[in-house]
Amino acid sequence: QVHLVESGGGVFQPGRSLTLSCAASGFDFSAYGMHWVRQAPGKGPEWVAVISFHGINKYYADSVKGRFTISRDNSKSTLYLQMNTLRPEDTAVYYCAKYSDYGEHGDWLDPWGQGTLVTVSS
Amino acid sequence: EIVLAQSPATLSLSPGERATLSCRASQSVSRHLAWYRQKAGQAPRLLIYDTSNRAPGIPARFSGSGSATDFTLTISSLEPEDSAVYYCQLRSGFAFGPGTKVEIK
Repeated sequence: QVHLVESGGGVFQPGRSLTLSCAASGFDFSAYGMHWVRQAPGKGPEWVAVISFHGINKYYADSVKGRFTISRDNSKSTLYLQMNTLRPEDTAVYYCAKYSDYGEHGDWLDPWGQGTLVTVSS
Repeated sequence: EIVLAQSPATLSLSPGERATLSCRASQSVSRHLAWYRQKAGQAPRLLIYDTSNRAPGIPARFSGSGSATDFTLTISSLEPEDSAVYYCQLRSGFAFGPGTKVEIK
C-alpha cells in the first residue's frame, strides 16, 4: 500500500529557509514522478512543483519559481521541497503526491500524503 | 494561462439525490481534466481522471463527462460521506478550480 509522509513543517520567520521531506513507501519510488501541492487555510489546493522519476525534469508554479526547489533521493525514497525567502503568503499545508500511473499521461495526483503545515509569521 | 471556474459554489442536497457539479475552462483542454474530493480535515483524493475515468476504488455513483471547455461531475445518489469540497484540475499546469462545496442535508 502506498504511503506518503510529509515532515519539516512548523513556524518560520519571513525571509528564512526550510526544507520539507516526503518519505515514500509501498511502491517503487524511483519509477514515479512526484508532485508538491499546497493549500492555504480556507483555500483550495495550489499546485507547486513536479519532478520526473529520475529527477531531471522539474517544473514550478510561477508563484514559487526561483524560490523553491524540488528534488528527490531515490536511494532514500524521499522527495524534498527546499523553500527559500519565505513569505507570509507561503503559509499553507504542503502535500506531496505520487503520479497516478494511469490515464493518458499517468501524471494525475494519486495518492496524496496527509500534509505538513508551514506557517510563515514574524 | 487557462483558468477554471466551478459552479455552483455550494450545493445543498438530501441523501439519495443527484448532484451535478460543473467545471468550465477558459479555453479547450481536450479531455485532460480530473476531479478530486476533499473531506474536512483530509487530503484531496482523486475521483475521476481524463474527464470520465473513475480512479481505482471510487464507487460507480461518481461519473464524469464533458470535453473541450465544459465538464461535469455527477454523483448519482448522494450518501452522507459525500459531504466534501470537490475540485476540478487541469493537466496543463495542474491548476485547480475554486471548488464546489457539497452539503448533505
